[in-house]
Amino acid sequence: AQKVTQAQTEISVVEKEDVTLDCVYETRDTTYYLFWYKQPPSGELVFLIRRNSFDEQNEISGRYSWNFQKSTSSFNFTITASQVVDSAVYFCALLFAGGTSYGKLTFGQGTILTVHP
Amino acid sequence: DGGITQSPKYLFRKEGQNVTLSCEQNLNHDAMYWYRQDPGQGLRLIYYSQIVNDFQKGDIAEGYSVSREKKESFPLTVTSAQKNPTAFYLCASSTPTGTPSTEAFFGQGTRLTVV
Repeated sequence: AQKVTQAQTEISVVEKEDVTLDCVYETRDTTYYLFWYKQPPSGELVFLIRRNSFDEQNEISGRYSWNFQKSTSSFNFTITASQVVDSAVYFCALLFAGGTSYGKLTFGQGTILTVHP
Repeated sequence: DGGITQSPKYLFRKEGQNVTLSCEQNLNHDAMYWYRQDPGQGLRLIYYSQIVNDFQKGDIAEGYSVSREKKESFPLTVTSAQKNPTAFYLCASSTPTGTPSTEAFFGQGTRLTVV
């Protein structure tokens, strides 16, 4: 079965703190993509990053960084020096690129991040 | 500008009524998806479609129906068989998996309320 788990339901931090959002996934497929999305109060999901299953390089984009470890089936997201504008719901997702679940996009439950001034 | 358009933004349904949520994309994407979002439950997949005239059930398809007559359009009908339809519905589209820019783009959602 394919599954994405975001164990942290809600996180609350003070501005300028670093925060890490955890994501663990389960799949039998060898070819897949992992994503992070941000959902601000307006509701639309905003794409942040994609990583394919063959690329375990970590990535940094400004204050955002991602750590992908196939050995632990994790794809964690860190925000450095958080800001109030980072407050949103963050989703980790898995897209299957092969096998019987080809093309199916599965999301975690989401983590509500609140950054206080 | 390319993107996904969902309409209406807010929709009210009476008990026993069928309603249809619209989703149109001009991104030339092959795959389209419908998700339901409830508080504390994240996004759950209702239906998805890889190509025109073909679609598959997701995890919570009961009480819903879809069609894919055109590449650009993937409407979702919430039928009277759906006992708890009040939720936020999101439509998405993506390029085929394996393409360099594979990612899902989302519409702004439709909030459906049963009255």
